[in-house]
Amino acid sequence: DAGITQSPRHKVTETGTPVTLRCHQTENHRYMYWYRQDPGHGLRLIHYSYGVKDTDKGEVSDGYSVSRSKTEDFLLTLESATSSQTSVYFCAISSGTRGELFFGEGSRLTVL
Amino acid sequence: QQQVKQSPQSLIVQKGGISIINCAYENTAFDYFPWYQQFPGKGPALLIAIRPDVSEKKEGRFTISFNKSAKQFSLHIMDSQPGDSATYFCAADYGGSQGNLIFGKGTKLSVKP
Repeated sequence: DAGITQSPRHKVTETGTPVTLRCHQTENHRYMYWYRQDPGHGLRLIHYSYGVKDTDKGEVSDGYSVSRSKTEDFLLTLESATSSQTSVYFCAISSGTRGELFFGEGSRLTVL
Repeated sequence: QQQVKQSPQSLIVQKGGISIINCAYENTAFDYFPWYQQFPGKGPALLIAIRPDVSEKKEGRFTISFNKSAKQFSLHIMDSQPGDSATYFCAADYGGSQGNLIFGKGTKLSVKP
């Protein structure tokens, strides 16, 4: 399995609180991604990174920010969580091979 | 135009049967089509992929069929087994930046013993 660790794996929080999810990789891959998975919506890209301090928005980036200060770490921050952000969040990494992503095991976030 | 439409949403197949999942797209710029398999509680994992210059690709019991003129592609699982029970996602990529991989909404496959 690709060396990807997501933390926390489960979190329950209240509306309006800030939340940070962490993705750590040991593969030294250039590209890192954050997706959210919701029933009926499949996997939707939130943000991705193509290098240290280089990030770009995905399909559903509103309400989320990211940072990548080191190759191995990619942080996803919800500045003020809302109930619509209740979801399972997946981090993925890639060496750049077309269509080949390696996913972490997910972080389940519940916003009450 | 950026969507990948996947059907059915769920599928129940008897052990030994053939599972068929279909996907369709509109954007002719898509030029790489991977399929991902996701078991409960796990992240998706790449299963098999195809380029549009090939009409079929087979890996073991898994086969992708591709119809470029119809802009459709499908996954066939032959001799389906209970261990194949998972959610399957088709995807399409049009190269360029790394943010161009679009996923279908997924098909939950249950293979009954």
